[in-house]
Amino acid sequence: GIQVEQSPPDLILQEGANSTLRCNFSDSVNNLQWFHQNPWGQLINLFYIPSGTKQNGRLSATTVATERYSLLYISSSQTTDSGVYFCAAMIKAAGNKLTFGGGTRVLVKP
Amino acid sequence: EAQVTQNPRYLITVTGKKLTVTCSQNMNHEYMSWYRQDPGLGLRQIYYSMNVEVTDKGDVPEGYKVSRKEKRNFPLILESPSPNQTSLYFCASSLSPGQGQNEQFFGPGTRLTVL
Repeated sequence: GIQVEQSPPDLILQEGANSTLRCNFSDSVNNLQWFHQNPWGQLINLFYIPSGTKQNGRLSATTVATERYSLLYISSSQTTDSGVYFCAAMIKAAGNKLTFGGGTRVLVKP
Repeated sequence: EAQVTQNPRYLITVTGKKLTVTCSQNMNHEYMSWYRQDPGLGLRQIYYSMNVEVTDKGDVPEGYKVSRKEKRNFPLILESPSPNQTSLYFCASSLSPGQGQNEQFFGPGTRLTVL
């Protein structure tokens, strides 16, 4: 099946800093999503981005499908950005199953 | 508001006592699925359903049952729970494959402890 790898595994930021999280996937995908898991365990949809670039406030994401990677940018980080960020990919042959990466744990310090 | 709901949100039970975790979505999605999340193992799919009365096994189906009698509901049944089923469970829904954007939406999670 598809492999999804995220880097770095852990990230410590000072409030106000910018950062880039990376997601590599091993096969062509028809769905690529980014999630934020908050301290209460809830998975919050950030982006649905099988290709191209999207922006939502201080967050933006880019997926280069031909090169099999996606990037999540956090600008001017805030303490509320802390948590675990997951990317998840889906290949057509796998039905609608999302395969999740291992996550990047982000801690933003005040 | 478009959403996926799960109940209960938290449950502590004992080995062997049958339980059901409910999942409901109000987006008229055909596809629904269950995942479990465990430290070091990430999120893994348990079962999924492509439509009413159509269900299939995911990666870790042992010890679980599901049913899909109505489009909006997809309950997860643990007939005889065991401690290794202690986990955080998520229900998700989306449009069917091939219907264009098939973004998946997740419920708030159910934290289950089996003693």
